[in-house]
Amino acid sequence: GENVEQHPSTLSVQEGDSAVIKCTYSDSASNYFPWYKQELGKRPQLIIDIRSNVGEKKDQRIAVTLNKTAKHFSLHITETQPEDSAVYFCAAPAAGTASKLTFGTGTRLQVTL
Amino acid sequence: EPEVTQTPSHQVTQMGQEVILRCVPISNHLYFYWYRQILGQKVEFLVSFYNNEISEKSEIFDDQFSVERPDGSNFTLKIRSTKLEDSAMYFCASSEALSTGVGYTFGSGTRLTVV
Repeated sequence: GENVEQHPSTLSVQEGDSAVIKCTYSDSASNYFPWYKQELGKRPQLIIDIRSNVGEKKDQRIAVTLNKTAKHFSLHITETQPEDSAVYFCAAPAAGTASKLTFGTGTRLQVTL
Repeated sequence: EPEVTQTPSHQVTQMGQEVILRCVPISNHLYFYWYRQILGQKVEFLVSFYNNEISEKSEIFDDQFSVERPDGSNFTLKIRSTKLEDSAMYFCASSEALSTGVGYTFGSGTRLTVV
């Protein structure tokens, strides 16, 4: 099945700095890559996603880049704010599946003042 | 904005007991999912459901687990004989299309504690 690796597991940045979280996937047929933000005790919420026919997508301070050749995709958060503090999960479709998402292990982002 | 609602928010049960977790998907969604998250770990797929039958299930979803759509609105996950290792947050999700993650909306989760 799909194997999704995520790094780093924890990330601490100062307010205003940028944060980058990276994921790799194993199935070259994967074509959809979402990122979820999960605040403590709450549900995962989709913050941005990208399809394999584009290399980059941006939504205000958040961007996702995709390198299909290398099979990795990254989340970029610029001008970080304290409310960005959360656990971020990448995900990719499991190989040979139509409905199953495989999640990365998560990155705990802490934005300090 | 439409929401997926889950009840209860927290359930404590004794080992060996049966539990039923309930979900009300978004009304025009046709595909339903259960995921679980053990404390501090990643979100793991359990099962997907469409047209009153299971579409896919993971190795976690063994004979102790079952899902049902008993009426037009509810989607339930039953664990027949709970074990300590079933303690986790269980998230229901729904989507319009059977496309991996596209249009997923997660519910707020049920924290299951098995004692």
